[in-house]
Amino acid sequence: DSGVTQTPKHLITATGQRVTLRCSPRSGDLSVYWYQQSLDQGLQFLIQYYNGEERAKGNILERFSAQQFPDLHSELNLSSLELGDSALYFCASSAGGGYDTDTQYFGPGTRLTVL
Amino acid sequence: TQLLEQSPQFLSIQEGENLTVYCNSSSVFSSLQWYRQEPGEGPVLLVTVVTGGEVKKLKRLTFQFGDARKDSSLHITAAQPGDTGLYLCAGASSGGSNYKLTFGKGTLLTVNP
Repeated sequence: DSGVTQTPKHLITATGQRVTLRCSPRSGDLSVYWYQQSLDQGLQFLIQYYNGEERAKGNILERFSAQQFPDLHSELNLSSLELGDSALYFCASSAGGGYDTDTQYFGPGTRLTVL
Repeated sequence: TQLLEQSPQFLSIQEGENLTVYCNSSSVFSSLQWYRQEPGEGPVLLVTVVTGGEVKKLKRLTFQFGDARKDSSLHITAAQPGDTGLYLCAGASSGGSNYKLTFGKGTLLTVNP
């Protein structure tokens, strides 16, 4: 158990819909990272928040947005969903702002299926 | 766009055999990480290598970072069924505070008893 929790574990929805994925970081960790994992693209970095502020951005679509709240939990919002958005979405947390020795701990993931 | 190529993509071996997984890029990374992921779970960090030419050993696992910090390898000695999983390498790059991990697509290892 990494100490990172993600809800829900599974999500099935239809094209065009909007969903929210939730992540609670390990106690004391200030950074939250979101990743998308699919068979064709592998694991891709989406976005990082550090202590409530956006810190780094990866391959995140404009239809996707995220935020980190004062209690440090984070939400990833996916809108106008397409079939190709079906994937595993992982949240990770780390103690610092992101550097070579700042270990990222991954949650168990949310499996999103768009029908 | 930074890319990390992992090879082989799939590897099926018998218990007791040795194996090596490769991770290559044309880009230079500040560090290279190796993760292991089991079905239904998130990746778990195995090691971080930071210095070009660095070799780290973790029991039966040996990790090497290339001199130019563009490539890495993972060698497993006397593989066991418990080593089965998806092995991912990830290169770290940072521009100021913009720290990012770029992942390879992984090597799916199956160790048969």
